[in-house]
Amino acid sequence: GESVGLHLPTLSVQEGDNSIINCAYSNSASDYFIWYKQESGKGPQFIIDIRSNMDKRQGQRVTVLLNKTVKHLSLQIAATQPGDSAVYFCAETPDDMRFGAGTRLTVKP
Amino acid sequence: DTEVTQTPKHLVMGMTNKKSLKCEQHMGHRAMYWYKQKAKKPPELMFVYSYEKLSINESVPSRFSPECPNSSLLNLHLHALQPEDSALYLCASSQALGDQGYTFGSGTRLTVV
Repeated sequence: GESVGLHLPTLSVQEGDNSIINCAYSNSASDYFIWYKQESGKGPQFIIDIRSNMDKRQGQRVTVLLNKTVKHLSLQIAATQPGDSAVYFCAETPDDMRFGAGTRLTVKP
Repeated sequence: DTEVTQTPKHLVMGMTNKKSLKCEQHMGHRAMYWYKQKAKKPPELMFVYSYEKLSINESVPSRFSPECPNSSLLNLHLHALQPEDSALYLCASSQALGDQGYTFGSGTRLTVV
């Protein structure tokens, strides 16, 4: 079936560097995408979202890019900090929300 | 109030027990969701309620029984569970089905012994 998937299961970066987490999706009907951060023992926390009529959206230190041509979504984190260490999930909806596999981000001091 | 509150935070139950998980939100959201999350895996959708009616059941075994008594409450009744049902059970809500602004609770860590 159709699914949301991630290219890399783990990502390790140096503190202060920029991080890029990728996500591939296959449902062309999806019109809303969300990035979540999940820390150990907690529920997913909303980071940033984007609708399919946009290519880019910026938040505080985070940017989401959407490439509908290749069905690709990315999350960029600027000046990565130790507190950014977590598992990051992308999710898509047209109707109910489905999660991708997740990427574990580890920030080295 | 902008939170989804789940109780209990931790639950240990035997395979013959009956227990319930509770989820509450007071944001006026009309869609509520149950997810199951195993270690190192993404959350898996179990049930979706829209306007207090069951909208989606992802072929979940009948030993899991959801209930939405009102627009603020969502319960998950558990009976005759198996050890492999041990997981983090997450509740979420949104303004409407498929709408933006999903909010998750912190989950109930369930251990079946």
